[in-house]
Amino acid sequence: EADIYQTPRYLVIGTGKKITLECSQTMGHDKMYWYQQDPGMELHLIHYSYGVNSTEKGDLSSESTVSRIRTEHFPLTLESARPSHTSQYLCASSVAGAGQETQYFGPGTRLLVL
Amino acid sequence: GNSVTQMEGPVTLSEEAFLTINCTYTATGYPSLFWYVQYPGEGLQLLLKATKADDKGSNKGFEATYRKETTSFHLEKGSVQVSDSAVYFCALSEGQGAQKLVFGQGTRLTINP
Repeated sequence: EADIYQTPRYLVIGTGKKITLECSQTMGHDKMYWYQQDPGMELHLIHYSYGVNSTEKGDLSSESTVSRIRTEHFPLTLESARPSHTSQYLCASSVAGAGQETQYFGPGTRLLVL
Repeated sequence: GNSVTQMEGPVTLSEEAFLTINCTYTATGYPSLFWYVQYPGEGLQLLLKATKADDKGSNKGFEATYRKETTSFHLEKGSVQVSDSAVYFCALSEGQGAQKLVFGQGTRLTINP
């Protein structure tokens, strides 16, 4: 059983607000990821991290930013939310090392920007 | 670059029917292959995986075999249940370091009683 948590699960917010989506895992995994999932279901990697103080942009350009100050915590921030940011955001983590590519996902945050 | 192509959905079947969801991939090297499942309102869960050619992953009655010659990893189940209704994603791992996953577009499966 994977222990990865995301809060809030649902968020409705107005345009221009700053928001932070929280992601925490208790498995001690080095690698963490953020995906954006559009209504058509497709998943897009927007950020990832190799470990503490490491962050990289993913395949899909995003106006969000991330930080990794602690191993277990990988928050995603939008400085000024817009309707185009409406989506589901999924956090995942994995163990480092060859043959350990399995990613474990949190339940997701569904964001609606009005 | 690496890519994964899944069978177009949605797929609708009756309970106890046989299920196949096709997945083919393009990759350099020898990626690991995965099937993830997403139930309504939830995140993705690993369903099964295979790490080398001819490996068969299996879980909860689902199976998929890593076929290098046809670059495929088709998901099968002999007798589906209503509770199998979900979105299924095929994926491959790529690269060292962050070990990123490349996902297919997902296939929505609905099982009618």
